Amino acid sequence: QKEVEQNSGPLSVPEGAIASLNCTYSDRGSQSFFWYRQYSGKSPELIMSIYSNGDKEDGRFTAQLNKASQYVSLLIRDSQPSDSATYLCAVERSNDYKLSFGAGTTVTVRA
Amino acid sequence: NAGVTQTPKFRILKIGQSMTLQCTQDMNHNYMYWYRQDPGMGLKLIYYSVGAGITDKGEVPNGYNVSRSTTEDFPLRLELAAPSQTSVYFCASSYGVAGEAFFGQGTRLTVV
Repeated sequence: QKEVEQNSGPLSVPEGAIASLNCTYSDRGSQSFFWYRQYSGKSPELIMSIYSNGDKEDGRFTAQLNKASQYVSLLIRDSQPSDSATYLCAVERSNDYKLSFGAGTTVTVRA
Repeated sequence: NAGVTQTPKFRILKIGQSMTLQCTQDMNHNYMYWYRQDPGMGLKLIYYSVGAGITDKGEVPNGYNVSRSTTEDFPLRLELAAPSQTSVYFCASSYGVAGEAFFGQGTRLTVV
């Protein structure tokens, strides 16, 4: 079982719609979770961090965490063409506090 | 304030050659990391450092070495390059939490 698994893409959504990205993780002791955005050919950029169960909103982005189900998600509301990128889920390991990354989900927002 | 700066951006190496990827940060972060990213894969941690003079192995350290003589600099050394080291390499730094990291622009390395 992979440490961090993301729903396979690519995900294509129309402009203005909600993009929903999912991530599951295997380390039950993990406490810190992160979403990075990576444009093609560029470096990852942190867009959300979440540490407690529930929802965390930042602008058009909402992260959702359910530690009991070992599940974290990212919603992008009112998707824009500029949101077209690969989104990486990262989970902090409980044994060494380093990150395990998922393979990423590529989102394309079509105008 | 440049953040994390990596050089070079691109490099082609022949099998068996060696090179050093440079990384410097101007945010006074104690924590620095080297990752590699292969197509369709998540980032894998090669080495990390929690401060000047302290380094440790990550998940995929074989074939690489690092040093951390100053807070700002964290070079990655490839000895005897192999085709399996063809990848995009990212240096990153953070103040504390590994997940709240700033990444450099990456080095695309091809070994032929």
